[in-house]
Amino acid sequence: KAGVTQTPRYLIKTRGQQVTLSCSPISGHRSVSWYQQTPGQGLQFLFEYFSETQRNKGNFPGRFSGRQFSNSRSEMNVSTLELGDSALYLCASSLGTGLDTQYFGPGTRLTVL
Amino acid sequence: EDQVTQSPEALRLQEGESSSLNCSYTVSGLRGLFWYRQDPGKGPEFLFTLYSAGEEKEKERLKATLTKKESFLHITAPKPEDSATYLCAVYTGNQFYFGTGTSLTVIP
Repeated sequence: KAGVTQTPRYLIKTRGQQVTLSCSPISGHRSVSWYQQTPGQGLQFLFEYFSETQRNKGNFPGRFSGRQFSNSRSEMNVSTLELGDSALYLCASSLGTGLDTQYFGPGTRLTVL
Repeated sequence: EDQVTQSPEALRLQEGESSSLNCSYTVSGLRGLFWYRQDPGKGPEFLFTLYSAGEEKEKERLKATLTKKESFLHITAPKPEDSATYLCAVYTGNQFYFGTGTSLTVIP
């Protein structure tokens, strides 16, 4: 069974630009969650989508947004990039929400110059 | 403020030297506590879910326990392949909170 895939794996952008990251969940999984991982803060929860609806949201500014499509694939968008947005962005998929086991992808490494 | 703290930040063990990693939490309404392992350049890999105080789970050389304020990940007779960063996370019903992890190095 194929795991969670994320594209692209690496990305370099400049301040002020916007970026879109993509996540394809494990087949049959309907929930996708996004996280930001930095050395100082660790993993921080961004948002969770289930059946195309945002179920939960972390404490991030409105520049961070996402969506989920009918095939459960998800995209995350960051507008007006800042230097502090440089991080590893991870997505995780699960069958359902909450306590279901989350399976993580390898992440997208975003560097903002 | 909801918070998860892991200690120590880094741990070096000789092969076969057992030890424990700590995850303490202050959250309102714990629904579940998770342990993950993360290797460099990879996403976290699920290890355990614990739901209530007193619960224990085991997998090979790892054993996770949960109290009302903290969780321990006990590593018995570790091997070099156990070297990784171990993360804990709590779920409150509407959000996940992760600790910053313990980096474990097992020396042959």
